[in-house]
Amino acid sequence: SQTIHQWPATLVQPVGSPLSLECTVEGTSNPNLYWYRQAAGRGLQLLFYSVGIGQISSEVPQNLSASRPQDRQFILSSKKLLLSDSGFYLCAWSVPPGGGTQYFGPGTRLTVL
Amino acid sequence: AQSVTQPDIHITVSEGASLELRCNYSYGATPYLFWYVQSPGQGLQLLLKYFSGDTLVQGIKGFEAEFKRSQSSFNLRKPSVHWSDAAEYFCAVGARNNDMRFGAGTRLTVKP
Repeated sequence: SQTIHQWPATLVQPVGSPLSLECTVEGTSNPNLYWYRQAAGRGLQLLFYSVGIGQISSEVPQNLSASRPQDRQFILSSKKLLLSDSGFYLCAWSVPPGGGTQYFGPGTRLTVL
Repeated sequence: AQSVTQPDIHITVSEGASLELRCNYSYGATPYLFWYVQSPGQGLQLLLKYFSGDTLVQGIKGFEAEFKRSQSSFNLRKPSVHWSDAAEYFCAVGARNNDMRFGAGTRLTVKP
């Protein structure tokens, strides 16, 4: 069966520091991968999605970036965190071509101080 | 592009009472429709989905939803709510070759 992992589970970082969140999927090949952010009391905001290695689409311009170095690995990064980057970050995967069920990881709670 | 509206930000029901959470979507063709549930600090769990066929869909934890094309709705229902159902509920719409869009969510509080 398929599983999706995210780490770390929680993270507290100072403003201006770098960020790296990792997401890995097991039990499937060539998945579509997604990064969402959920601010406190808000819905889900799609940040990035990827349909293959090295293929990243950005939904919202910001100081975050994403990379997909391996088929089942998706990384969310920032060179310098802002206070507004605080939130709950969720990774998800789906079977191509898209539009179908997305399966979510447990999330990473990021607090920028 | 598709979009989703969940008109109710917060709903409170008594334990044992029935529940209906509203969801309206906008999409030009037949959509894929989903309901997810999120407990505090957790990821989203799929409750049920509609792709085609029978418009009344059964899901996990005793939930069901009905697709009504004429009303562009996909409301979630449960006949008797349990305290453990307190959570945030998200409706989402997708389409082949297109990615999902989520509603803003409805927070459910269950009174003892």
